[in-house]
Amino acid sequence: QKEVEQNSGPLSVPEGAIASLNCTYSDRGSQSFFWYRQYSGKSPELIMSIYSNGDQEDGRFTAQLNKASQYVSLLIRDSQPSDSATYLCAVLGSDSNYQLIWGAGTKLIIKP
Amino acid sequence: DTGVSQDPRHKITKRGQNVTFRCDPISEHNRLYWYRQTLGQGPEFLTYFQNEAQLEKSRLLSDRFSAERPKGSFSTLEIQRTEQGDSAMYLCASSLTSGWYNEQFFGPGTRLTVL
Repeated sequence: QKEVEQNSGPLSVPEGAIASLNCTYSDRGSQSFFWYRQYSGKSPELIMSIYSNGDQEDGRFTAQLNKASQYVSLLIRDSQPSDSATYLCAVLGSDSNYQLIWGAGTKLIIKP
Repeated sequence: DTGVSQDPRHKITKRGQNVTFRCDPISEHNRLYWYRQTLGQGPEFLTYFQNEAQLEKSRLLSDRFSAERPKGSFSTLEIQRTEQGDSAMYLCASSLTSGWYNEQFFGPGTRLTVL
């Protein structure tokens, strides 16, 4: 059973601080990793994709991948109240070129 | 707005009725996916199309669920004889065939409530 694990939270972070969200996955052969943001009652929105070890930066967001440790993280710098949402980690399994394996998400709360 | 549209956005129905949802993917995307999501969970895969071909259907999916994608454009998801347990957000996503990348973009979803 291929799994993606996330701490459900809530993770509470003061405004302006760095929010750090973590995800572990069981399928060692996975190659593609995605972070989605989901506001309450809305659909998931793709915010970061990462495919190789190291960091991938886009504005205030940095995705980090460590395949040896089977670990993906998302850092949000200068956190804003508008960043309050649930963050879903999704992994493309090694035996599929289309089916994502999803974590249950981490709820992030940014406190003004 | 990702460019994926879904209709209707909300549907309330009585148990036992049939419902049909529509998804229009991003125009150049040849892959289309249907998911179901309930509160506190990640999206649950239902089915997947590449062009007009339905290539996979979740083993967890009841025979009451059927999906089509005629001509490889829009797709419909039908649920027959709805049950209260079908209440959920139904999500459609699309992507391009591009090796292992497969970035999937979601529509706004259809929220189904079965009374």
